Amino acid sequence: GENVEQHPSTLSVQEGDSAVIKCTYSDSASNYFPWYKQELGKGPQLIIDIRSNVGEKKDQRIAVTLNKTAKHFSLHITETQPEDSAVYFCAAPRYNFNKFYFGSGTKLNVKP
Amino acid sequence: EAQVTQNPRYLITVTGKKLTVTCSQNMNHEYMSWYRQDPGLGLRQIYYSMNVEVTDKGDVPEGYKVSRKEKRNFPLILESPSPNQTSLYFCASRTTGPTGELFFGEGSRLTVL
Repeated sequence: GENVEQHPSTLSVQEGDSAVIKCTYSDSASNYFPWYKQELGKGPQLIIDIRSNVGEKKDQRIAVTLNKTAKHFSLHITETQPEDSAVYFCAAPRYNFNKFYFGSGTKLNVKP
Repeated sequence: EAQVTQNPRYLITVTGKKLTVTCSQNMNHEYMSWYRQDPGLGLRQIYYSMNVEVTDKGDVPEGYKVSRKEKRNFPLILESPSPNQTSLYFCASRTTGPTGELFFGEGSRLTVL
């Protein structure tokens, strides 16, 4: 299978600062890496993803970078806002996206 | 509105009393799956289904059963619940396209005493 490790488990930043969450994976055959955001009392929701043929992808204040050699990918949130406070999960689906392997989650707290 | 609906949202039960958590999606998705979320462990896949009558084990299938008799429904069955199945459960669905995006329900919090 796949082993996905996520760090840190908690992250507290001041509003306006940047936040970075990092994940590593073990299976070099993995080629698609999504990030999900889970707000309190809700199910996770996809916020950004990246495929192995690119090194970086941006969507407004959110970006994801991928280093296939080192087998790690990171979520970057710039100019954080209180509504960014949530739990974030990385994932590495395998086997035609049938099996999903998630990281252990990062609880991000953005202080006003 | 496109959604995945789980019921019940909250349940307290006792060891050994069979229960079913229902999941229904209105997006005509072929693929559906179940996860449990536990502190420090993230989301772990229990079972998944690629289509009607096609199911397979995820990483933590022990103590659970599933069935997929209709495309829209994918119930999770706990035949004899135990306290270690106390958890937050999520159902999700997706298309079979290349994006792999999962659409999650709002979760079912289960407590087994």
